[in-house]
Amino acid sequence: ETGVTQTPRHLVMGMTNKKSLKCEQHLGHNAMYWYKQSAKKPLELMFVYSLEERVENNSVPSRFSPECPNSSHLFLHLHTLQPEDSALYLCASSQDEWGANTGELFFGEGSRLTVL
Amino acid sequence: DAKTTQPNSMESNEEEPVHLPCNHSTISGTDYIHWYRQLPSQGPEYVIHGLTSNVNNRMASLAIAEDRKSSTLILHRATLRDAAVYYCILNMYGGSQGNLIFGKGTKLSVKP
Repeated sequence: ETGVTQTPRHLVMGMTNKKSLKCEQHLGHNAMYWYKQSAKKPLELMFVYSLEERVENNSVPSRFSPECPNSSHLFLHLHTLQPEDSALYLCASSQDEWGANTGELFFGEGSRLTVL
Repeated sequence: DAKTTQPNSMESNEEEPVHLPCNHSTISGTDYIHWYRQLPSQGPEYVIHGLTSNVNNRMASLAIAEDRKSSTLILHRATLRDAAVYYCILNMYGGSQGNLIFGKGTKLSVKP
């Protein structure tokens, strides 16, 4: 139990569906992140939120839309996805975005997404 | 960004020590060395990090070469639960956590 909870753990969707992934952290952290992990590829950072403000978007297609309504919750809204978007989507949090020398990232267990 | 080089895979026997190497010849003076691991079907988890001195915690030890161009993660007694992909990552002092770049890592297999 890392204190970061992701739901659903598994999701299958068609290319025309709209779905959302949810992440909740119970650690009192100020920064939250979305990562994508495709088969046999390294983790890719998608979005960074610090104090509920988006601070980084690593050229992610607009069919992925993040939302951070408060410091404890992070959503990833999905619409008109492609089969190549099938992957493990991981949420993480840290005390603050900056100060990597003192902090650490806490990851959830991920949401396994399959796009048909 | 400073890069790291790790072996693709390693094997260990249960209850024996494991030394996981990492080369980072282009490390700068302000880069911290971080280690994370990812167990099967889970997200990565923090293991340890350090700057210059060797570091110990309940999970592992980190030995850093004097010239800082390499480091070694030491698991003192491997268990089956330690089978995972281990990532060695550099990040500058005060840098963004989002700058932690997870490469391919070393896949550690532990035999009973």
